[in-house]
Amino acid sequence: NAGVTQTPKFQVLKTGQSMTLQCAQDMNHNSMYWYRQDPGMGLRLIYYSASEGTTDKGEVPNGYNVSRLNKREFSLRLESAAPSQTSVYFCASSEKTGLAGGLYNEQFFGPGTRLTVL
Amino acid sequence: AQKITQTQPGMFVQEKEAVTLDCTYDTSDPSYGLFWYKQPSSGEMIFLIYQGSYDQQNATEGRYSLNFQKARKSANLVISASQLGDSAMYFCAMRETYNQGGKLIFGQGTELSVKP
Repeated sequence: NAGVTQTPKFQVLKTGQSMTLQCAQDMNHNSMYWYRQDPGMGLRLIYYSASEGTTDKGEVPNGYNVSRLNKREFSLRLESAAPSQTSVYFCASSEKTGLAGGLYNEQFFGPGTRLTVL
Repeated sequence: AQKITQTQPGMFVQEKEAVTLDCTYDTSDPSYGLFWYKQPSSGEMIFLIYQGSYDQQNATEGRYSLNFQKARKSANLVISASQLGDSAMYFCAMRETYNQGGKLIFGQGTELSVKP
């Protein structure tokens, strides 16, 4: 069981370049998330996918797009990278939560991608 | 408005002593869950403990316990008998039921340093 995997681990981009961060989970979870972590800011939600086939914006979606490719995979795309997107990006997954599910479903996190935009 | 507030950017504790990390939250939802995560210097996020808003007793997991005071909207993490390996960032997070996606709202974190 690999849990949540992310690729790449490190990436340096120039302003204006594009890239896709990949995330996959093997726990058969319904929900997946993308967060960014900046110093002193905690983790902030970029986008999430409550279930396969759905995606929704989080707190800081501008400059990003996502694709829930299937139940296992959830990718994050930067179309035109900016220095303000320099951050550590975490993917996470959990069982379905909310009114139809339990509140207690911990999120399992990937190891993170450290992205620098010059 | 901040939904999760961790007012201690950094804390020091002597090895083997207990330490309390503060977390206050703001929600109008009567049903919610509170989580604590640990992030060591290696960067991974490690789940520590969970408290549900309707849970009658404070949650405990080994050396971790949660001091849940619902009326004060606080969910402080208590680490007993601190170890050097407890040095890390600690994040408090909340999930609200209206939130169908199950997303977590995180606080800014507290950096704990355990001194030998």
